Amino acid sequence: ILNVEQSPQSLHVQEGDSTNFTCSFPSSNFYALHWYRWETAKSPEALFVMTLNGDEKKKGRISATLNTKEGYSYLYIKGSQPEDSATYLCAPRYGSSNTGKLIFGQGTTLQVKP
Amino acid sequence: NAGVTQTPKFQVLKTGQSMTLQCAQDMNHEYMSWYRQDPGMGLRLIHYSVGAGITDQGEVPNGYNVSRSTTEDFPLRLLSAAPSQTSVYFCASSPGQRAGELFFGEGSRLTVL
Repeated sequence: ILNVEQSPQSLHVQEGDSTNFTCSFPSSNFYALHWYRWETAKSPEALFVMTLNGDEKKKGRISATLNTKEGYSYLYIKGSQPEDSATYLCAPRYGSSNTGKLIFGQGTTLQVKP
Repeated sequence: NAGVTQTPKFQVLKTGQSMTLQCAQDMNHEYMSWYRQDPGMGLRLIHYSVGAGITDQGEVPNGYNVSRSTTEDFPLRLLSAAPSQTSVYFCASSPGQRAGELFFGEGSRLTVL
């Protein structure tokens, strides 16, 4: 059983605050780390896919880093806005590039108050 | 611009009944998968497929069957529904290359009485 842990489980912040979440995962046989954003009543949508140790991705106010050796990734949101309210999921992919399965963490639910 | 299409969106079953959740994608993706979402449990992988004719078990495969006869379709079968299978089911697909992101369907809400 692959245990993917995300912390914190939930987070309430004020508009304008910056925040970060953690995803930790077993690094054996790992080859990619996905981050997804999941808004209520919608389906998850991909934010980032990272494969290299030390990889860093950025999309607007959201960025992510990856440490493949120790098995963790951080997601940062700078200057949170109410529209950032969602559940953020990480999912490491294991196996090979064509046979790998994605295992999701339980997610971090972010609530941004105006 | 269909993407990943799941049917039905809602279904109520009685214990012991069988049904199939349909999933179709029009993006020529090699990889397809089924997840279930339960409160406090996140998304748990049921079965996945890396191409036509190839399927494998995920984290919670018991009580579910899958097949992949074409690239486009990946149906999920419940042979004898149980109340523990009450959940929201998501189908997702991705390109077969190394870092392909998942594209999700809209979900199917199943209630087993």
